[in-house]
Amino acid sequence: QVQLVQSGAEVKKPGSSVKVSCKASGVTCSKCAISWVRQAPGRGLEWMGGIIPVLEIANYAQRFQGRVTITADESTSTTYMELTSLRSEDTALYYCARGWGFFDYWGQGTLVTVSS
Amino acid sequence: DIVMTQTPLSLSVTPGQPASISCKSSQSLLHSDGKTYLYWYLQKPGQSPQPVIYEVSSRFSGVPDRFSGSGSGTDFTLKISRVEAEDVGDYYCSQGLHLPYTFGQGTKLAI
Repeated sequence: QVQLVQSGAEVKKPGSSVKVSCKASGVTCSKCAISWVRQAPGRGLEWMGGIIPVLEIANYAQRFQGRVTITADESTSTTYMELTSLRSEDTALYYCARGWGFFDYWGQGTLVTVSS
Repeated sequence: DIVMTQTPLSLSVTPGQPASISCKSSQSLLHSDGKTYLYWYLQKPGQSPQPVIYEVSSRFSGVPDRFSGSGSGTDFTLKISRVEAEDVGDYYCSQGLHLPYTFGQGTKLAI
């Protein structure tokens, strides 16, 4: 069974950065992508970008271009999502999910709160 | 970006009764490979989303057969033949053809 385990909740000041991790275990596939999807309080789901770790190919949603960086460490099966220049509107649950278009396994979510 | 529009936004159903959710995309989700990249997810209260349907009508592993998906091009439907208490939550349609991948606003199913 595939498991995606994310790092814990974060509280950040406006203008700072946050880096969230996602460690995969269980049955994995060599060319599977890991995507990041966020959900603001009481809102819907928003795809931010993703990476194919073995190929080190990343793609980002235009609205996050320049602020988000997704990286992967193949040796530890861990993917990272870093979001910079945080503002209050970035307060959300951030999920990692396996897949590129279709997301079959999801992490438990990491709450990022941006507050002064 | 592709806009995914769901109706209704909320639905209250008596257990054992059917439920239906519509999803319309602003562009066709049919790829030249013949597949249509439309998916449905369920987010149960306090949980992460989980897949229900992929490529319009295929049930994900472990999903009961009371769930079915249909549609083509830009118009899609998720149906639950007999709603059970465990089906409550927010249902999202999603497209996986055009970047950035996008989701509908969600439909809240209550009992």
